[in-house]
Amino acid sequence: EDQVTQSPEALRLQEGESSSLNCSYTVSGLRGLFWYRQDPGKGPEFLFTLYSAGEEKEKERLKATLTKKESFLHITAPKPEDSATYLCAVQEGSWGKLQFGAGTQVVVTP
Amino acid sequence: DTAVSQTPKYLVTQMGNDKSIKCEQNLGHDTMYWYKQDSKKFLKIMFSYNNKELIINETVPNRFSPKSPDKAHLNLHINSLELGDSAVYFCASSQDHPLAVAKNIQYFGAGTRLSVL
Repeated sequence: EDQVTQSPEALRLQEGESSSLNCSYTVSGLRGLFWYRQDPGKGPEFLFTLYSAGEEKEKERLKATLTKKESFLHITAPKPEDSATYLCAVQEGSWGKLQFGAGTQVVVTP
Repeated sequence: DTAVSQTPKYLVTQMGNDKSIKCEQNLGHDTMYWYKQDSKKFLKIMFSYNNKELIINETVPNRFSPKSPDKAHLNLHINSLELGDSAVYFCASSQDHPLAVAKNIQYFGAGTRLSVL
């Protein structure tokens, strides 16, 4: 049974067209939720960590929020350089075992 | 300086061969990981070492054997390669502590694309 589900699988946006990505999770004892960005041919790059429901974090055009069941990554007025696959991961246990979602591939066109 | 470096970047080999992938981190982290990313882009953890001790060992065929000579290095040896082993393998590291999620930010290498023919 999937513990981390991301939607949509793919998202095509016009430059400046804001949107949100969803990450829903079913782990019982969430210790942390992580957002990563992955460019083609590269490793995932850390964006945010969220620890408890209600928490929000921002970085440039990205804003991550967390509830008890899901997290959203909001992309405000995206630019073509925001094109990437965005991965969500949850940590449940004490050591750093992350369960990743399948990712959302975002393409931003000029 | 590359924080987490993997070699080689590409690996093409025949079924049945044995191959190794090397990983080194210069971040001073205590914990290192191996992940497998399949064709559907799903990242799955395989192993994790903390200070040279194995702490996570997922359900992985025993043809895969990790080795950590010191806390800055974690290598992955694969015996008798199969077609299904074709994937991108990522190494990662973190300054992990079981009670501090904040230190579990994992930094990834660029990946090794393994193709088994």
